[in-house]
Amino acid sequence: GAVVSQHPSWVICKSGTSVKIECRSLDFQATTMFWYRQFPKQSLMLMATSNEGSKATYEQGVEKDKFLINHASLTLSTLTVTSAHPEDSSFYICSAIRASTDTQYFGPGTRLTVL
Amino acid sequence: AQTVTQSQPEMSVQEAETVTLSCTYDTSESDYYLFWYKQPPSRQMILVIRQEAYKQQNATENRFSVNFQKAAKSFSLKISDSQLGDAAMYFCALYNNNDMRFGAGTRLTVKP
Repeated sequence: GAVVSQHPSWVICKSGTSVKIECRSLDFQATTMFWYRQFPKQSLMLMATSNEGSKATYEQGVEKDKFLINHASLTLSTLTVTSAHPEDSSFYICSAIRASTDTQYFGPGTRLTVL
Repeated sequence: AQTVTQSQPEMSVQEAETVTLSCTYDTSESDYYLFWYKQPPSRQMILVIRQEAYKQQNATENRFSVNFQKAAKSFSLKISDSQLGDAAMYFCALYNNNDMRFGAGTRLTVKP
């Protein structure tokens, strides 16, 4: 199956700092990537849709100035959590759409802990 | 708005037996995709099976098969000959037009 990577796999940061998470599709080009947030024992919550070469589309209630998304190439999307607070601590998962099959492939996730 | 409902928070099955996980959905679209994903303790989302809405034939992948009832907007997953490694959270998902929605998930326990 298709491979999607995320980096870092886990990060601990101080409150007020910014954290960047990378999502890469390793063996296919992805014009669309998604960013999800998952709290313990809950389902995935879509945060935003990342489109290569254009602005991301954010879900209602997600602050676009706090969660900056950049989809600079067909294989890379980044999520930057700006001025992180403890309530931003969560598991962040990205996925990439393989256009030929309209199937999402997921990265392994990034666990963010904000102290 | 598209929605996906999984009404079984937890299910249990004996090893080697068969279990069915339920999923219903709602969409106004006629062309869409349905998926079942598995999330083991590692939290890596793994694609189990996919179904195109325009196909009447139910998708199968080895021990995994679906019962797709388009008119009823139902998409259940059947796991045959359950194995210990099947224990995980299972999420049903609906996708179309760059919009992906997940159900709340079903935690499957496999008893040896």
